[in-house]
Amino acid sequence: EDKVVQSPLSLVVHEGDTVTLNCSYEVTNFRSLLWYKQEKKAPTFLFMLTSSGIEKKSGRLSSILDKKELSSILNITATQTGDSAIYLCAKSSNYQLIWGAGTKLIIKP
Amino acid sequence: GAGVSQSPRYKVAKRGQDVALRCDPISGHVSLFWYQQALGQGPEFLTYFQNEAQLDKSGLPSDRFFAERPEGSVSTLKIQRTQQEDSAVYLCASSLPRDGANSYEQYFGPGTRLTVT
Repeated sequence: EDKVVQSPLSLVVHEGDTVTLNCSYEVTNFRSLLWYKQEKKAPTFLFMLTSSGIEKKSGRLSSILDKKELSSILNITATQTGDSAIYLCAKSSNYQLIWGAGTKLIIKP
Repeated sequence: GAGVSQSPRYKVAKRGQDVALRCDPISGHVSLFWYQQALGQGPEFLTYFQNEAQLDKSGLPSDRFFAERPEGSVSTLKIQRTQQEDSAVYLCASSLPRDGANSYEQYFGPGTRLTVT
């Protein structure tokens, strides 16, 4: 079964902390690895990673893919309460996205 | 520009009723996906359209679920004789590429929260 596994499942930190979220996937039909942020509504796109070792950055968020380890991390520095959300990782496999269960991140003021 | 829209946003159905959920993808997007998301879980794939062709319906949980996209734009997901286990958020997403082998980011609608009582 093609799986994407995220860890931790939930995380509570204080504002200003740095967090690292993990995603591992199976190599079958791998095209790209995507990160999404889901608040109360639909997931919103953050990053798409296709090449190993190249960091993608957007403000305080950054992500990198390690194809050797079949994994990716999402880093958030200087966290704010608005970063509280579920962070979803998905593997692009042909036309499908195979989703992880998400990491629920709670930022306490 | 306009994103993906879905209607209704919330639907309460009595067990045994039929429901129809609508998705309006981003104009010009070739690919359209339906997902089911249970509380605390990631989205689970239901079905995929490329234009009006339903290329994959392997994720539909039973023959009570039916999806169509007759003119290659708006899509409808129909659930017949709803059961309590159908309660979930149903997400629709669209993406641009014609080539299914290169899956670019998918843009999601706000979802329809279905509650079956």
